[in-house]
Amino acid sequence: GAGVSQSPRYKVAKRGQDVALRCDPISGHVSLFWYQQALGQGPEFLTYFQNEAQLDKSGLPSDRFFAERPEGSVSTLKIQRTQQEDSAVYLCASSAGGQETQYFGPGTRLLVL
Amino acid sequence: GENVEQHPSTLSVQEGDSAVIKCTYSDSASNYFPWYKQELGKRPQLIIDIRSNVGEKKDQRIAVTLNKTAKHFSLHITETQPEDSAVYFCAASGVAASIIQGAQKLVFGQGTRLTINP
Repeated sequence: GAGVSQSPRYKVAKRGQDVALRCDPISGHVSLFWYQQALGQGPEFLTYFQNEAQLDKSGLPSDRFFAERPEGSVSTLKIQRTQQEDSAVYLCASSAGGQETQYFGPGTRLLVL
Repeated sequence: GENVEQHPSTLSVQEGDSAVIKCTYSDSASNYFPWYKQELGKRPQLIIDIRSNVGEKKDQRIAVTLNKTAKHFSLHITETQPEDSAVYFCAASGVAASIIQGAQKLVFGQGTRLTINP
């Protein structure tokens, strides 16, 4: 079946611009995670949804980062007033349950100039 | 919170030899330890995982061992092939609060760049 998909795959933004990154999880997966992966580093947790409920947002680096999953399926990660330090790959993962295997999407590579 | 350390950062082995990557974790409440393989520009892909109720798990050329007392786990790849070249990440499940909520928040190691020399 179809895996996790993300769009856009690449995004170039000017500093101060707002961006929105989309994640389509595997159909039926109730759990959805966002991670940030800096160049040469492992992914770092940003936030977690169980269905439409955002149960953990402890990894969001600032209040410029906002995530939503209004219908418990597609999720959007929004970054307001982007800064150069926001440049990274943003990975989405979904799982059938909170303690099941996480399947990752291909990521969105964000470059802030 | 949880902290995962991974070693070595780079590893080069001859084709056919074995490769071992080691990770340590800090949170004794962690109970799930997956390993992901990430090729350049691609998504992380799960290659094997282990839960804390077992000490070893094997899948063909890949095996993972877990020592809960010492809080470390290792990935073993035998009979390495050129297609095994990639960056490998270990991870541990997150803090207890997330587990209570039902979520396995993963904390990743820094990665190991494995190169298989033909």
